[in-house]
Amino acid sequence: GAVVSQHPSRVICKSGTSVKIECRSLDFQATTMFWYRQFPKQSLMLMATSNEGSKATYEQGVEKDKFLINHASLTLSTLTVTSAHPEDSSFYICSATGTGSFDYGYTFGSGTRLTVV
Amino acid sequence: GNSVTQMEGPVTLSEEAFLTINCTYTATGYPSLFWYVQYPGEGLQLLLKATKADDKGSNKGFEATYRKETTSFHLEKGSVQVSDSAVYFCALSSNSGNTPLVFGKGTRLSVIA
Repeated sequence: GAVVSQHPSRVICKSGTSVKIECRSLDFQATTMFWYRQFPKQSLMLMATSNEGSKATYEQGVEKDKFLINHASLTLSTLTVTSAHPEDSSFYICSATGTGSFDYGYTFGSGTRLTVV
Repeated sequence: GNSVTQMEGPVTLSEEAFLTINCTYTATGYPSLFWYVQYPGEGLQLLLKATKADDKGSNKGFEATYRKETTSFHLEKGSVQVSDSAVYFCALSSNSGNTPLVFGKGTRLSVIA
């Protein structure tokens, strides 16, 4: 079945540094990638939608200059948290859909636990 | 807009008990409906789905039937196990292009031996 590999699974960084999270579709072409953020014991909050080769569309309240999304190929999308601060600590999850994935299917990565100290 | 309302937990059951997690939705058109499961520290895994009215999705003993008349997609399992302890999310897709899933708030299930 469709698989999305997300790395790293956990990262600890110092305040003010940047962190890059990668999501790769292993057996299908991810034409669209969704990036979510999840706070403890809460549901997923959509941050942005990116289509391959286009600029990402950010949800209201999400700073596009802080959360940089790149989707330059059909198998790779990245989320970079720039100048991270402790309030950016969260669980980030990507979800992809596209050619070769099952109809109406959304394949999720395993998530990245970001801790900013 | 589209929305999903699901029973808020936490839900605590004894092993072999019957499980129901209610989910209702509001949507225009004919959405597809999903249940996802999230184990601690992990991403989401698709548990089951249904793409049209009266479809029944099933997997690992879990079932849910797409009821258009009641706009519901309740999750059921006849006999839960400790390993079923997780957070369950109901979600819908509008099926109109590459739009994101709309999630419910999630229901935490704890099964005790």
